[in-house]
Amino acid sequence: SQQGEEDPQALSIQEGENATMNCSYKTSINNLQWYRQNSGRGLVHLILIRSNEREKHSGRLRVTLDTSKKSSSLLITASRAADTASYFCATVSGPLNKFYFGSGTKLNVKP
Amino acid sequence: AAGVIQSPRHLIKEKRETATLKCYPIPRHDTVYWYQQGPGQDPQFLISFYEKMQSDKGSIPDRFSAQQFSDYHSELNMSSLELGDSALYFCASTGSAKNIQYFGAGTRLSVL
Repeated sequence: SQQGEEDPQALSIQEGENATMNCSYKTSINNLQWYRQNSGRGLVHLILIRSNEREKHSGRLRVTLDTSKKSSSLLITASRAADTASYFCATVSGPLNKFYFGSGTKLNVKP
Repeated sequence: AAGVIQSPRHLIKEKRETATLKCYPIPRHDTVYWYQQGPGQDPQFLISFYEKMQSDKGSIPDRFSAQQFSDYHSELNMSSLELGDSALYFCASTGSAKNIQYFGAGTRLSVL
């Protein structure tokens, strides 16, 4: 399946540290997106990187995409306790822009 | 800006009862997706609609059905509820570009 797989499944860091989450997928994509979910809430779109892009920044977020390795990483710099959430990657593929969500990384940032 | 609206926010049902969840997409969005997220689980895609027609189907049980209406809102109908149906149900919508899914706050269904 196209399903993105994320690692680590869980990550616990101290406030101020950087957090890196990885996502791997299996087939070609149109774009890859990262979403955040606070406990019991809906997913919120964070950032989109197109298949012809290699790196993208948004505030404290940095996303890289390596289409040859079919992988992406999300880096959150200078983490804050408020960054505590689950983070999901989603690949978008095909002419109909079909979405596939990965299994998520649960990030805990300790104050 | 208007977001995706889901109702109700919370729903408590007994086993074997039925439930109807509603989703109102962002104005001018034509595609609606439904997801189920069990406790501690990842969101699982159930079904999607584009222009009132089913566009994709995921792991939706036969006891569930859904449709999209002429005003683009969607309803997820769940019958013969089981304890395992207790979950958060999310709806998301996309516009014509289908680039980004915008999620509602979800409906928390508890089956007792």
